[in-house]
Amino acid sequence: GQNIDQPTEMTATEGAIVQINCTYQTSGFNGLFWYQQHAGEAPTFLSYNVLDGLEEKGRFSSFLSRSKGYSYLLLKELQMKDSASYLCAVKDSNYQLIWGAGTKLIIKP
Amino acid sequence: ETGVTQTPRHLVMGMTNKKSLKCEQHLGHNAMYWYKQSAKKPLELMFVYSLEERVENNSVPSRFSPECPNSSHLFLHLHTLQPEDSALYLCASSPWTSGSPSTDTQYFGPGTRLTVL
Repeated sequence: GQNIDQPTEMTATEGAIVQINCTYQTSGFNGLFWYQQHAGEAPTFLSYNVLDGLEEKGRFSSFLSRSKGYSYLLLKELQMKDSASYLCAVKDSNYQLIWGAGTKLIIKP
Repeated sequence: ETGVTQTPRHLVMGMTNKKSLKCEQHLGHNAMYWYKQSAKKPLELMFVYSLEERVENNSVPSRFSPECPNSSHLFLHLHTLQPEDSALYLCASSPWTSGSPSTDTQYFGPGTRLTVL
């Protein structure tokens, strides 16, 4: 079956760096997405990786290794507003998105 | 209005009620999606419409009935629901480029929090 694994919950300190990992086993691969979802709000698009390597976008970076079935989202200079759930999703060979259960990130002062 | 909107934001209904969820997108997309989000579970894709035609129906019970009258509007009609159907129902839209390894980023509405008593 298809599966996306990510930690259920992580805690980090304001101003620090945190890395949220995502591993996947899917039938085919057509890209990996990261979304941010604040409680009670819509998931919002953060990043898309289809080739190996690091994509940087301000304080957020996303890395992909297709051979390892692995990605991470790196958040730098953490702010209280970064407290949210982070969803990893992979587009499979049928171009259907397979979703992880999300990682709840708690930022402490 | 911009982006994807959903109404109502909160809905409480009994098991014998009939209600409808509404979604509207203002992004010029031609694909729309219904998802179910339960606590600590992955998003579950329910229905996909492309150019107003249903292209995906992931074995969803018949008590959920989608309707897509045009590319900007999507409805989810609910009847005789069960308590386990209580969840956040999210609508999303995207461009539709089937067969192409494109981004096809999906943009989500804020969801309807549904409680079935």
